[in-house]
Amino acid sequence: LAKTTQPISMDSYEGQEVNITCSHNNIATNDYITWYQQFPSQGPRFIIQGYKTKVTNEVASLFIPADRKSSTLSLPRVSLSDTAVYYCQYPGGYSTLTFGKGTMLLVSP
Amino acid sequence: DGGITQSPKYLFRKEGQNVTLSCEQNLNHDAMYWYRQDPGQGLRLIYYSQIVNDFQKGDIAEGYSVSREKKESFPLTVTSAQKNPTAFYLCASSGGQGLVEQYFGPGTRLTVT
Repeated sequence: LAKTTQPISMDSYEGQEVNITCSHNNIATNDYITWYQQFPSQGPRFIIQGYKTKVTNEVASLFIPADRKSSTLSLPRVSLSDTAVYYCQYPGGYSTLTFGKGTMLLVSP
Repeated sequence: DGGITQSPKYLFRKEGQNVTLSCEQNLNHDAMYWYRQDPGQGLRLIYYSQIVNDFQKGDIAEGYSVSREKKESFPLTVTSAQKNPTAFYLCASSGGQGLVEQYFGPGTRLTVT
């Protein structure tokens, strides 16, 4: 059974870079790794997705080492509005989808 | 606007009653999913459907039932057999065929007393 592990919480200040790491077990060679952001009482929102090495979009970067046993979500220059819960998820698709328990990021002024 | 709608936002029921949560999507997605979220537990998969008239149990299907008669609709029934039904329920969809990004609805908060 796929399982992910993330830190329960992290604290940061505005303008800092935040890195959240997720460990995965039993990840298959063709599994994508996906990260979501969730605000209270809302559905999660897609942030970024990757398969290997590095992926970057307008809001975040995703680093995946060669062994693919972990992935790191990088949020550059966070703001107060980035305070949320961040989930990693794998595998995507139809099989037993697994979300981590989430990392609560608190950004302070 | 394309998206997923869930209704109602808040739902209250008495213990022993079945209740059905609505989920509709106009994204033309093949796959749809139901998750349950409890404090500190993250998201847990209840049921998923890859195609119309087909669905599969997730990790915590006991006490729940679903149907997928139309591509755009995937209602979830919380039956009286579900021992702890009070939770935040989230519906999601994805394009399928390897398109793994999921789009989530706003959720329904069910309270059973």
